[in-house]
Amino acid sequence: NAGVTQTPKFRILKIGQSMTLQCTQDMNHNYMYWYRQDPGMGLKLIYYSVGAGITDKGEVPNGYNVSRSTTEDFPLRLELAAPSQTSVYFCASSYLTGTYGYTFGSGTRLTVV
Amino acid sequence: DQQVKQNSPSLSVQEGRISILNCDYTNSMFDYFLWYKKYPAEGPTFLISISSIKDKNEDGRFTVFLNKSAKHLSLHIVPSQPGDSAVYFCAAPGEGGNTPLVFGKGTRLSVIA
Repeated sequence: NAGVTQTPKFRILKIGQSMTLQCTQDMNHNYMYWYRQDPGMGLKLIYYSVGAGITDKGEVPNGYNVSRSTTEDFPLRLELAAPSQTSVYFCASSYLTGTYGYTFGSGTRLTVV
Repeated sequence: DQQVKQNSPSLSVQEGRISILNCDYTNSMFDYFLWYKKYPAEGPTFLISISSIKDKNEDGRFTVFLNKSAKHLSLHIVPSQPGDSAVYFCAAPGEGGNTPLVFGKGTRLSVIA
């Protein structure tokens, strides 16, 4: 049982490049989330999805896009990478939101130079 | 504005002693709280939660206390073990209760053998 799988684990991007962070879950969870963690900071919500075809912005959505075409996959797209997007990105999923615990992936460490 | 605050970035405790991690919140509408534990290079994992109808919840060595009047909760670990060394995040569902989790900045616990 893989849980939440994120790829890649590490990536270095040049300013202005684009990339997609992949996230897949095999628990048939309806809810999926993307958070970023900056040094010394907590987890900040970028985007989330309550089911296939439905996405919504979180606290820090600027510079990112998402799509949810299937229950399993929730990719995060960076179109024009900026140094401010250097961070560790975590994808998570849950059966419901609110009071339900989330299952997190192991993260993608992204550096923009 | 931080809705969930962890004001101590780090805590160091001797093995076998009690670890107390604190969390304050600003929104009196929050009615459920969760603690997550994070090891380096891994995603956060759910540890323990508490509903606002309770003032204490216990799970083995871990106990969470909730003081609603003070808008304060704390996580007690007794006895502390070296394997407990990690970053601990306090979290709560956003306003409305059915929205994604809002996380504190985390407290890094070091348990010294």
